[in-house]
Amino acid sequence: DAGITQSPRHKVTETGTPVTLRCHQTENHRYMYWYRQDPGHGLRLIHYSYGVKDTDKGEVSDGYSVSRSKTEDFLLTLESATSSQTSVYFCAISESGVREAQFFGPGTRLTVL
Amino acid sequence: GDSVTQMEGPVTLSEEAFLTINCTYTATGYPSLFWYVQYPGEGLQLLLKATKADDKGSNKGFEATYRKETTSFHLEKGSVQVSDSAVYFCALIKEYGNKLVFGAGTILRVKS
Repeated sequence: DAGITQSPRHKVTETGTPVTLRCHQTENHRYMYWYRQDPGHGLRLIHYSYGVKDTDKGEVSDGYSVSRSKTEDFLLTLESATSSQTSVYFCAISESGVREAQFFGPGTRLTVL
Repeated sequence: GDSVTQMEGPVTLSEEAFLTINCTYTATGYPSLFWYVQYPGEGLQLLLKATKADDKGSNKGFEATYRKETTSFHLEKGSVQVSDSAVYFCALIKEYGNKLVFGAGTILRVKS
């Protein structure tokens, strides 16, 4: 299995509070991704990174920001959480990105009350 | 834009039955195609992939063939087991791209 961990694994928070989710990899892969999984939608890309300090938006990026200061860590921040951001969040990595399979972490279940 | 359409579930089968989960895609050029599996409470695992037309991906008894003419990548298994119960996702990365586009997922339930 690819060495990907996510923390926390579960979190309950209140509307309006900031939340940061962490993805850590031990594979030294260049590309890292954040997805959210919601029933009926499969997984949707929030943001991705193609190197340290290099990030770009996905299809559902509103309300989220990311940072990558080291190859191994990719942070997802909800500046002011809303109930619509209740979801399961998955991090993924790939070595070179182009046309390659991605490998997924175990997920973080976030509930915003 | 690029998209993936999977058959709706849940699909319920008896053990040792034949499985087909349909997947069709919309994308220009020659995307790479993938099947991922998600067991309850876990992340997604890559099941198989194909990167060019007529390629057959296979793993753990599952197979899928990249059909450019029908823009399809149907998942098949000859004899399912209870342990195959999971959610199956079809996905693509477009040619020269780096972003996965997922179908909505198909729940498979296998009864003993």
